[in-house]
Amino acid sequence: KNEVEQSPQNLTAQEGEFITINCSYSVGISALHWLQQHPGGGIVSLFMLSSGKKKHGRLIATINIQEKHSSLHITASHPRDSAVYICAVNLGGGGADGLTFGKGTHLIIQP
Amino acid sequence: KAGVTQTPRYLIKTRGQQVTLSCSPISGHRSVSWYQQTPGQGLQFLFEYFSETQRNKGNFPGRFSGRQFSNSRSEMNVSTLELGDSALYLCASSLGGLVNYGYTFGSGTRLTVV
Repeated sequence: KNEVEQSPQNLTAQEGEFITINCSYSVGISALHWLQQHPGGGIVSLFMLSSGKKKHGRLIATINIQEKHSSLHITASHPRDSAVYICAVNLGGGGADGLTFGKGTHLIIQP
Repeated sequence: KAGVTQTPRYLIKTRGQQVTLSCSPISGHRSVSWYQQTPGQGLQFLFEYFSETQRNKGNFPGRFSGRQFSNSRSEMNVSTLELGDSALYLCASSLGGLVNYGYTFGSGTRLTVV
């Protein structure tokens, strides 16, 4: 069983829809990250969370430590949001263990 | 400020050869971590360096090694290449230390082993 599970694996939506991507983890973590990967491979860090909620533009990320669950929301989705969204966790403090990744959610926003 | 620079961007090697990949972190970042991405296994942690010390290594054979220099630049080496080593290799830099910080990723090196 993977330590980090994401759902859905694939998501196709229409422009303007509200998008939710879920991430569950089975171990204790010190931080959770949401990453975005576009075709070609480049990865951009969207959020780092250890508690609560963060917002940046149309993106919102939440985490519930007790339930070991995080969500990434995209409001007013746009075709440029099409990408793979990856949930990753730090198992220990300071990043010494690197990141442990979910399998990613492939999001396509159709105009 | 300059981002994380990985060189080379693309590489084709023959089975049995060795390869060295380079990663220059953001100025001031002392932690560099390396990851392998394949279609089958996804993203997997290779190793992490902080202040020239390897603090942890993922579940990879000894053919995979790395080092970090005093200017925080890092290299990873893969010896005796196998076809299964074909992958996108990404490095990420972070301030590092005892506290978690965000990561900045390089564009990756795409290695093809033939």
